[in-house]
Amino acid sequence: DVKVTQSSRYLVKRTGEKVFLECVQDMDHENMFWYRQDPGLGLRLIYFSYDVKMKEKGDIPEGYSVSREKKERFSLILESASTNQTSMYLCASSKGSGNTGELFFGEGSRLTVL
Amino acid sequence: GEDVEQSLFLSVREGDSSVINCTYTDSSSTYLYWYKQEPGAGLQLLTYIFSNMDMKQDQRLTVLLNKKDKHLSLRIADTQTGDSAIYFCADPNTGGFKTIFGAGTRLFVKA
Repeated sequence: DVKVTQSSRYLVKRTGEKVFLECVQDMDHENMFWYRQDPGLGLRLIYFSYDVKMKEKGDIPEGYSVSREKKERFSLILESASTNQTSMYLCASSKGSGNTGELFFGEGSRLTVL
Repeated sequence: GEDVEQSLFLSVREGDSSVINCTYTDSSSTYLYWYKQEPGAGLQLLTYIFSNMDMKQDQRLTVLLNKKDKHLSLRIADTQTGDSAIYFCADPNTGGFKTIFGAGTRLFVKA
């Protein structure tokens, strides 16, 4: 069964802490994405990557950075967490060639910043 | 810019049909998608429709597309408590790199 795995389901951090959210996919997908989900706002794209070491800003990149050192792994980094980054974070992947636009999602990481 | 809109809540009785509506501002995408998010989980693709189709039926699911009115709907027949979830319509803009999601419709199914 194909999978996108987010290592942390629930995290509680303090304001100013550095936060790492890890995502691994086993489908050999070229593209990987980080979204943020907030009630009534749907999903908003933070960053995406279409290849190893490549990254592109999404709609809300401020306060976030990403790292893609290996094809299967895409990390989201909050350099200095703030309370307004309390949210559900969803990682997704999609194919490169033959891409229909279908996204495969992880289970999500719920982050609370105190 | 491009946008996808949906109502936020829908409540139905078990056994009734549910209809979730979505409007979009513009789409040149080949497909339009419906994703389902169960409590505590990520999104999963539920169904899709080719942009050159008006209707697609898949067991209890019927997707209708009205391109003239830019309106997409998802009908669930014989709704069950297990259908309680959030449903997102999505336009995979630019091959999915900038997918535009609606805000999601939370479906409540009363026993």
